[in-house]
Amino acid sequence: SSELTQDPAVSVALGQTVRITCQGDSLRSYYASWYQQKPGQAPVLVIYGKNNRPSGIPDRFSGSSSGNTASLTITGAQAEDEADYYCNSRDSSGNPVFGGGTKLTVL
Amino acid sequence: QVQLQESGPGLVKPSQTLSLTCTVSGGSISSGDYYWSWIRQPPGKGLEWIGYIYYSGSTYYNPSLKSRVTISVDTSKNQFSLKLSSVTAADTAVYYCAREVQYCSGGSCLLNWFDPWGQGTLVTVSS
Repeated sequence: SSELTQDPAVSVALGQTVRITCQGDSLRSYYASWYQQKPGQAPVLVIYGKNNRPSGIPDRFSGSSSGNTASLTITGAQAEDEADYYCNSRDSSGNPVFGGGTKLTVL
Repeated sequence: QVQLQESGPGLVKPSQTLSLTCTVSGGSISSGDYYWSWIRQPPGKGLEWIGYIYYSGSTYYNPSLKSRVTISVDTSKNQFSLKLSSVTAADTAVYYCAREVQYCSGGSCLLNWFDPWGQGTLVTVSS
């Protein structure tokens, strides 16, 4: 099992706001990064660090962190945001680790 | 724009060694700013970091796979490779190569991210 815990599934109504969370003790010491993965495709980086978006990622994606929880927020979710989302950070030994993933459904 | 592309056999027999190569284009693998990583994803499951290599040849592996993994680099070809020995059906997965950035400050590396990723290649372990 992963040292980063994510809810397996989350749903959001079209145009509404959704928060996807990632919990782990290591998040008190390390920042998280977030990836979007659509079926049959490779993961794509959407957020890294406190709240940094790579070029080309819409500004409706944002990141935040508090205590042992990192969050990815999508403000005004679109149909094309339906995907699996993974967080990434370090485990207690400092090794890269991924959360189990959250399947986002846009209703 | 850096791009990564995995290549290698799609079928490996149990107990044999899985071998994959990642070719980097649009940038030099010898850049000291990055680490070159392998990540895998079993069908229908989540992502698992396998390990990374620095252009100098320094490696760091997932402890759960360390005894079976070797990652090497060929800077002349701008490639890095993965070997996973003694494979079983549990090693069946899509294997991705990715460029990792590590942000370090004051001797502590507080942030890492993977970007870009290769398209991935499915490796099936079956007789």
